[in-house]
Amino acid sequence: DTEVTQTPKHLVMGMTNKKSLKCEQHMGHRAMYWYKQKAKKPPELMFVYSYEKLSINESVPSRFSPECPNSSLLNLHLHALQPEDSALYLCASSQWSGESTEAFFGQGTRLTVV
Amino acid sequence: GQNIDQPTEMTATEGAIVQINCTYQTSGFNGLFWYQQHAGEAPTFLSYNVLDGLEEKGRFSSFLSRSKGYSYLLLKELQMKDSASYLCAVRSDTDSWGKLQFGAGTQVVVTP
Repeated sequence: DTEVTQTPKHLVMGMTNKKSLKCEQHMGHRAMYWYKQKAKKPPELMFVYSYEKLSINESVPSRFSPECPNSSLLNLHLHALQPEDSALYLCASSQWSGESTEAFFGQGTRLTVV
Repeated sequence: GQNIDQPTEMTATEGAIVQINCTYQTSGFNGLFWYQQHAGEAPTFLSYNVLDGLEEKGRFSSFLSRSKGYSYLLLKELQMKDSASYLCAVRSDTDSWGKLQFGAGTQVVVTP
């Protein structure tokens, strides 16, 4: 199983809503990531979790709140977003160290903030 | 800071070969990755280089020269399905292990 599963695939939310994006992997990877990707741009790193602890926060606004409840799950809680936050949100996972450290990406959640 | 450069777009004919170059300037180096991304889809892993030289995987090969800060991805026997964006990404060892910095991507258009 080399899959990273993200739900929902699409999400439309208002600026006052609270919603959550979910990500799951069963590859035994101990590093999990959130990336944000705007159209025709490369993915931009938001957060990195290693062994369920937040290790990197790329100065992301507090309206994005990550959570890693266990080694297989990663959530991104959204609150009071702005229209410019509309993007494809990608979750990825990888081994934390060693030779094979490529990141496996989920299919993403297409988020639209109205 | 880090800088990763690759061409914006390349066009090639079905059955031909295309070489996508990537140059990088990073504070430390701990591996270079190539990903393929079709429009509206997630990036998929193609190759990984951490030592100098050529890595071959079927129709795709990737080359790395650490002293020159240079890599290329070679796509042979192009097929229409190879039309996609190809992303070069570098892992720097001065940052935490998990940080992967992506280039802007090269859009490859395969024509009949």
